[in-house]
Amino acid sequence: EAGVAQSPRYKIIEKRQSVAFWCNPISGHATLYWYQQILGQGPKLLIQFQNNGVVDDSQLPKDRFSAERLKGVDSTLKIQPAKLEDSAVYLCASSPRQGLNEKLFFGSGTQLSVL
Amino acid sequence: AQTVTQSQPEMSVQEAETVTLSCTYDTSESDYYLFWYKQPPSRQMILVIRQEAYKQQNATENRFSVNFQKAAKSFSLKISDSQLGDAAMYFCAYRKETSGSRLTFGEGTQLTVNP
Repeated sequence: EAGVAQSPRYKIIEKRQSVAFWCNPISGHATLYWYQQILGQGPKLLIQFQNNGVVDDSQLPKDRFSAERLKGVDSTLKIQPAKLEDSAVYLCASSPRQGLNEKLFFGSGTQLSVL
Repeated sequence: AQTVTQSQPEMSVQEAETVTLSCTYDTSESDYYLFWYKQPPSRQMILVIRQEAYKQQNATENRFSVNFQKAAKSFSLKISDSQLGDAAMYFCAYRKETSGSRLTFGEGTQLTVNP
């Protein structure tokens, strides 16, 4: 079974530039999550999709961050414009359903450095 | 808001020995779920073990077991017969029993296994 795929693995940009990350969840997984993990901290949920609908985006900085999951499969997270404090690892995860005890399957993340 | 605290930023253990990682959480809920995730240098988070709050019996997965103390809001992870491959960042996580609720992570504990 293929895992959660993310690209790129690394990205370096200057502040005020735009950047996009891509995630392809495990086939058939209805729920998709984007997490932000700042160095030395635990992951923080940015947005959660159930199929192609948003379940929770309360911690997404909507003035600069946007995400979409067209057709309920793969997803893109965008930052425009980037700030220095956006430097972090962006992790994508998926689960078969929205169940509370569901195991989340994580990708290897995209490490973003904003200079 | 729920919080998860891991008071040990770093821990070390000798190969084949036993180590315990601590986690406390704050919640007013009576039903919830607790998890331990492992994050190796590859950055991919892997579920180690999970516990339902309504279950009194502590969860066990091979060499990994938990000590769940609901009244004390404590959820520690014990790793027996430590192996070099256990070296990683370990995160404790909490999720309340509400549809669509998010997974909240602690700050993590870096575990080193010495040969």
